Amino acid sequence: EVQLLESGGGLVQPGGSLRLSCAASGFTFDRYAMSWVRQAPGKGLEWVSSISGGSTTTSYADSVKGRFTVSRDNSKNRLYLQMNSLRAEDAAIYYCAKGIYQLPKAYYFDYWGQGTLATVSS
Amino acid sequence: EIVLTQSPATLSLSPGERATLSCTASQSVGSYLAWYQQKPGQAPRLLIYDASNRATGIPARFSGSGSGTDFTLTISSLEPEDFAVYYCQQRSDPLTFGGGTKVEI
Repeated sequence: EVQLLESGGGLVQPGGSLRLSCAASGFTFDRYAMSWVRQAPGKGLEWVSSISGGSTTTSYADSVKGRFTVSRDNSKNRLYLQMNSLRAEDAAIYYCAKGIYQLPKAYYFDYWGQGTLATVSS
Repeated sequence: EIVLTQSPATLSLSPGERATLSCTASQSVGSYLAWYQQKPGQAPRLLIYDASNRATGIPARFSGSGSGTDFTLTISSLEPEDFAVYYCQQRSDPLTFGGGTKVEI
């Protein structure tokens, strides 16, 4: 059974940093692209970032480019999102999501974690 | 960036009725569109990918159609558990989602 479990969310002041983590199990982790998708309270879904299985390719939404860094440790089956220079508009539930295909790009997401909440407020 | 517009924003129906949800892309996405269902307090669930392929374990009452810029998700006969928010998503960079359609009782 595929499982994705996020952690690392919390309350941070504007300008601060958070590091999110996603522990994956139930599939061959290094064969799939992984992504982060966020959802502000009461709002829709926004793709944030993706990383290929071998970490050779990363991509970011313009709204986070230069501030967020996605990475993965295939030996630990973990996905990470380092979030720096946080703004109020970054406050959201952050979901870890698995790409549907064994391809470098995520395309679609067939499994999602339950999310971790990042709150940015002074 | 490809913008996806979903309509209507809210669909009020009764169990047993047919639901038709629309997603319009600002430019052609071919057949590369997915649909997700999200219930309150839960993560999204993939229903349909590549416009018309049902994901694993998705009931046959869910179907998708369309290509180019106009897509439809149809729920043939609403079950009580189908009342939720539905999102479309296209797969060109950057990946984008529509704003959602809430299907309410």
